[in-house]
Amino acid sequence: DAKTTQPNSMESNEEEPVHLPCNHSTISGTDYIHWYRQLPSQGPEYVIHGLTSNVNNRMASLAIAEDRKSSTLILHRATLRDAAVYYCILNSGSNYKLTFGKGTLLTVNP
Amino acid sequence: GAGVSQTPSNKVTEKGKYVELRCDPISGHTALYWYRQSLGQGPEFLIYFQGTGAADDSGLPNDRFFAVRPEGSVSTLKIQRTERGDSAVYLCASSWGSTGARGNGYTFGSGTRLTVV
Repeated sequence: DAKTTQPNSMESNEEEPVHLPCNHSTISGTDYIHWYRQLPSQGPEYVIHGLTSNVNNRMASLAIAEDRKSSTLILHRATLRDAAVYYCILNSGSNYKLTFGKGTLLTVNP
Repeated sequence: GAGVSQTPSNKVTEKGKYVELRCDPISGHTALYWYRQSLGQGPEFLIYFQGTGAADDSGLPNDRFFAVRPEGSVSTLKIQRTERGDSAVYLCASSWGSTGARGNGYTFGSGTRLTVV
């Protein structure tokens, strides 16, 4: 699967929106964009995924650039419980393996 | 249970000893995965089971590592002659099948923290 690039860390204030960027310039046409997050002392947790169109669910929104070379995970109102490492992962429809990078460590300030 | 259960949550062992790590996947999930996470790194793939068989064990670092899933449900990761470099968090995940287009992807357990002293 193609590689992704994320900032090492980001900070946000509680109750403010957070935009977590991810670059994936070598994405292929069959690659889905997945986001997982990992809270302290927990395993990774699925957040959202998409292919071409923007996606919304109860946890977050995923905005995908028109050329699909980048995407942004949007947390509409950050809470202290959103402090975690966020991973952006590309995965084709037939691939069972997730390839994690180092992700973005999100700190949420009260 | 509702989630993926891993036991023990913590394991401290002496160098050279044998350890077993257990994973109880979500009931009905046919696919089961083991990952390993070192400090400050993302999880790394070890092995994938579809049913009882290991469909891909390409991530196992060497022949000291072995995993089984005899009845297609519970899996055990076995490490022989442990070394200090084996210290890490071992994560188990399960899913209905391949993750790519699935709505909820993998469900991970909280992991077993293995410390080899």
